[in-house]
Order: sequence, then C-alpha cells, then structure tokens
Amino acid sequence: QKEVEQNSGPLSVPEGAIASLNCTYSDRGSQSFFWYRQYSGKSPELIMFIYSNGDKEDGRFTAQLNKASQYVSLLIRDSQPSDSATYLCAVKWESYIPTFGRGTSLIVHP
Amino acid sequence: EAQVTQNPRYLITVTGKKLTVTCSQNMNHEYMSWYRQDPGLGLRQIYYSMNVEVTDKGDVPEGYKVSRKEKRNFPLILESPSPNQTSLYFCASSLSPPYTSGGSYEQYFGPGTRLTVT
Repeated sequence: QKEVEQNSGPLSVPEGAIASLNCTYSDRGSQSFFWYRQYSGKSPELIMFIYSNGDKEDGRFTAQLNKASQYVSLLIRDSQPSDSATYLCAVKWESYIPTFGRGTSLIVHP
Repeated sequence: EAQVTQNPRYLITVTGKKLTVTCSQNMNHEYMSWYRQDPGLGLRQIYYSMNVEVTDKGDVPEGYKVSRKEKRNFPLILESPSPNQTSLYFCASSLSPPYTSGGSYEQYFGPGTRLTVT
C-alpha cells in the first residue's frame, strides 16, 4: 500500500522565520516527489519537485529528500504572510499516477 | 492568457442523471488529467491523457469516463452519478507528464468544479 503522510497542522510561524513542512511515504520504490501549494478556495499549484537525494533550491524554497529515511521536506525561508496556504506533498512510484498527502496548513503571522 | 477552463463551476444534480464536466486548455499541452479532492482524503487522480486518443486510469477511475478527441479538450463524464461522487474536481494540463524525470514543471490547473450529487 502506497501512502503519503503529512501532519495536517496548522503550522504557525512568524513572518521572516523558516517554515519546515514534512512528508513521509511508505514505499522505497518511489521515484519522484512534488510539492504543491493551495490557497484556500483555489486550485493547487506545483511549486517544487525533486528526484535525487539531497537538497534542491528554488528561490526561498528548498526541497530536501532522504530516500533511506523515506521523507521529503519543504523549507520556506523568510516566510511571508502570502505563504499562508495548504502544502500538498505528492509521490510518484512506477506509474504516472501520483499519490498525494492530505496537506499541511501553514499560517505565517505578521 | 494561458489557462485551463472548466464548466460548470458548480453543479447540483440527482443520482443517476448523466453529466459532463468540460475541460479545455489553450496552451497546446499534450498531457491532461482529472483529480478529485475530498476533505480528509486529499487529491486523487481519476484519469489522465498523454495525448489525443490516449487515456488511462488514475487512482480512482470507477464511475467516470473520459475522452480526448481533440488536444485542447478533456471532458469528464459521469454516466450515472452517485452521492459518493460529490466532490471538488480539478482538471490540469502540462506540456508533458509532470510526474516523470525531465517532465514538465509547469502544470496548470483549472478553477475547479464543485459537484453535489443528491
């Protein structure tokens, strides 16, 4: 059974802090990992993907992957109130079908 | 403007009455997909299409049909809707499948269709 787990939150951080969002998955055969951001009442938006162990940086976002420990993280540096959203983790195994976590709600307060 | 449109945005219907949710993109994308989003269950892929006339099942295809006769359109058909298909539905498109190494990083979602089946 392929499962993707996320803490539903909310995760509350002050403006300017680093927000750390975590995702664990059940099967070591996973191939690629994705982070989506979804503002309340809006559509998901693909913001990061990572395939290899280690870190991948894109602006204020860093995705970290540790396949041995079966987790992937999203760090948001210098968090802004506009980062307040639900962040969905998705994992792909051998097919084109992703499995999504239930999402973590992030609140960045001024 | 690059966009994915879905219609209708809101629909309340009764059990067993066939319905179609349309999805159209204006970016000449090859890959399109449908998702449903339910509280506590997250986002789940229903069907996807790699190109015209090429469709395949996602995680939860039961009770749904799709077709891809033209590159721009990917309608979702519920032949006999049931209350357990009450959900928020999203259509998405990208140049290539986002879930592959080297695949598209830009995936565009439609605004969503909120369907209630009574």
